[in-house]
Amino acid sequence: DTEVTQTPKHLVMGMTNKKSLKCEQHMGHRAMYWYKQKAKKPPELMFVYSYEKLSINESVPSRFSPECPNSSLLNLHLHALQPEDSALYLCASSQGGQGDYEQYFGPGTRLTVT
Amino acid sequence: GENVEQHPSTLSVQEGDSAVIKCTYSDSASNYFPWYKQELGKGPQLIIDIRSNVGEKKDQRIAVTLNKTAKHFSLHITETQPEDSAVYFCAAYYSGGYQKVTFGIGTKLQVIP
Repeated sequence: DTEVTQTPKHLVMGMTNKKSLKCEQHMGHRAMYWYKQKAKKPPELMFVYSYEKLSINESVPSRFSPECPNSSLLNLHLHALQPEDSALYLCASSQGGQGDYEQYFGPGTRLTVT
Repeated sequence: GENVEQHPSTLSVQEGDSAVIKCTYSDSASNYFPWYKQELGKGPQLIIDIRSNVGEKKDQRIAVTLNKTAKHFSLHITETQPEDSAVYFCAAYYSGGYQKVTFGIGTKLQVIP
């Protein structure tokens, strides 16, 4: 099973709402990633978790809060977002450890902030 | 930091023709170069990759070449089919305890039947 699943597929939220995006993988991968992708642009790395520890935070605003409850799950908590945060949010996973490279992406959550 | 340039941004080919997409990178420490295909409404899918100690890799109709000296790598698709139509991203990774990845801007490939 080389699948990364993401829920929900679509999310519309107001600027005062609190919501969460979820990502799950059962490949035994120990590194998980959040990317943001705007229309017609490449994915931009937001966060990297390695062995359930946050190892990269690419200067993302605090209204985005990642969480890695265990090695299979990754959440992204959203609060007080802005309309410019509307984008496709992609989760990815990889085996973990130095020298590891292949990342498997999920289908993404299409987020619209109104 | 790393900078990856990709061209062309759009490419139209007739079915059966070949397509070539090129990328250049700036950081000589980058050591892994994957190519992703992204169809509408889906996440990127890894289609082929190459590591810095290899010059060429082929998988059926798809091949990638890497020139470390010139810091560029290319994707070659032969005998294109309509289902090859998608956006293709190149990327350069540096793995030094964690992965830092920089994507190219993407190439929208259209295969005309």
